[in-house]
Amino acid sequence: NAGVTQTPKFRVLKTGQSMTLLCAQDMNHEYMYWYRQDPGMGLRLIHYSVGEGTTAKGEVPDGYNVSRLKKQNFLLGLESAAPSQTSVYFCASSYSDRGPENEKLFFGSGTQLSVL
Amino acid sequence: GQSLEQPSEVTAVEGAIVQINCTYQTSGFYGLSWYQQHDGGAPTFLSYNALDGLEETGRFSSFLSRSDSYGYLLLQELQMKDSASYFCAVEGGYQKVTFGTGTKLQVIP
Repeated sequence: NAGVTQTPKFRVLKTGQSMTLLCAQDMNHEYMYWYRQDPGMGLRLIHYSVGEGTTAKGEVPDGYNVSRLKKQNFLLGLESAAPSQTSVYFCASSYSDRGPENEKLFFGSGTQLSVL
Repeated sequence: GQSLEQPSEVTAVEGAIVQINCTYQTSGFYGLSWYQQHDGGAPTFLSYNALDGLEETGRFSSFLSRSDSYGYLLLQELQMKDSASYFCAVEGGYQKVTFGTGTKLQVIP
């Protein structure tokens, strides 16, 4: 049982390049989230999904796209990377039933992205 | 929208008790959670309050007052390993989970 797995763990891009971050979970969770974390800013929600085939915008969605074609995978895409997107990216997942023990988010180990 | 406020830094002595406050504004409210994050690590879940009152889990307790849009995390018998950042998070409308900016706790001997 791997939990939430993010790939890659580190990546360096040049301005204008594109890339996709992959998040995979093996807990059969309905909800999945992408956050970015910058010093002093906490975790800011980029996009999220409440089920296969559905996505929604979070607080800072500009410059990112997402897809949830399979329930276990949630992809975050950067079409044209900018230095402002240098950050640590975390994926998280959770159950949809908000009963006891189901309210927690499970996080991946993060992706350190640098855009030069 | 949703916004959460918590102190940026707190320092406490090993063995003591520390309280980290969180006030929030949200459209729709389902619960307040707390997460711990050590430097270089991922956030990990500590506690969740959906109803008013105190929830206790070992050395950690969390409190919620929905009428005041306020909660706190209480850490007792502080240990050096408790040095970390602590985040409150609100689940609001449309299943959005929004995090505060975090409180960096430093435990000193």
